[in-house]
Amino acid sequence: EAQVTQNPRYLITVTGKKLTVTCSQNMNHEYMSWYRQDPGLGLRQIYYSMNVEVTDKGDVPEGYKVSRKEKRNFPLILESPSPNQTSLYFCASSHRTVLNTEAFFGQGTRLTVV
Amino acid sequence: DAKTTQPTSMDCAEGRAANLPCNHSTISGNEYVYWYRQIHSQGPQYIIHGLKNNETNEMASLIITEDRKSSTLILPHATLRDTAVYYCIVYAGGTSYGKLTFGQGTILTVHP
Repeated sequence: EAQVTQNPRYLITVTGKKLTVTCSQNMNHEYMSWYRQDPGLGLRQIYYSMNVEVTDKGDVPEGYKVSRKEKRNFPLILESPSPNQTSLYFCASSHRTVLNTEAFFGQGTRLTVV
Repeated sequence: DAKTTQPTSMDCAEGRAANLPCNHSTISGNEYVYWYRQIHSQGPQYIIHGLKNNETNEMASLIITEDRKSSTLILPHATLRDTAVYYCIVYAGGTSYGKLTFGQGTILTVHP
């Protein structure tokens, strides 16, 4: 089954404690990205990756890092989380080479930073 | 990417067709119209997309006006499980490749 898998689904952490949210896809997609969703602000892109070892900033990259060492994985790293990073996070993937295509989203990670 | 305008909310009776409009009057010739939905904080789910012609799949139909300035998503027989936020997105790739710009969407509530 084609899917994007995020872990963990729920996470409560304290300010400053480094954390990683994993994302994995099984569709051999080149393009992967991270979004955060906040009430009233909708979904906003954090980082994206066009392929292995190629990453770039989205609209709200501050406080986040990513890496793309393998095609299937695209972890989101919060080196020093702060309460304003409390949000619902989604990973997405799609084929890069074809415009006429759909994006697949993970089930989300609800992060609370206290 | 062009901006879209959707009604904030709509209601529909179960079993009836749900027709969700979207205005995208500034759409350019190479921009596709995509529809996604999000059920109660789950990950957005792709529904359908089109460029000029009407499209149909197992989930829905997409009607795009001839001038492409608006479109309508049709769920032919809405069920309670279709209650969700529906997003209309216009997208052309290019420098913003892969980034889907989600607006506020339409909250569709299907009633028994």
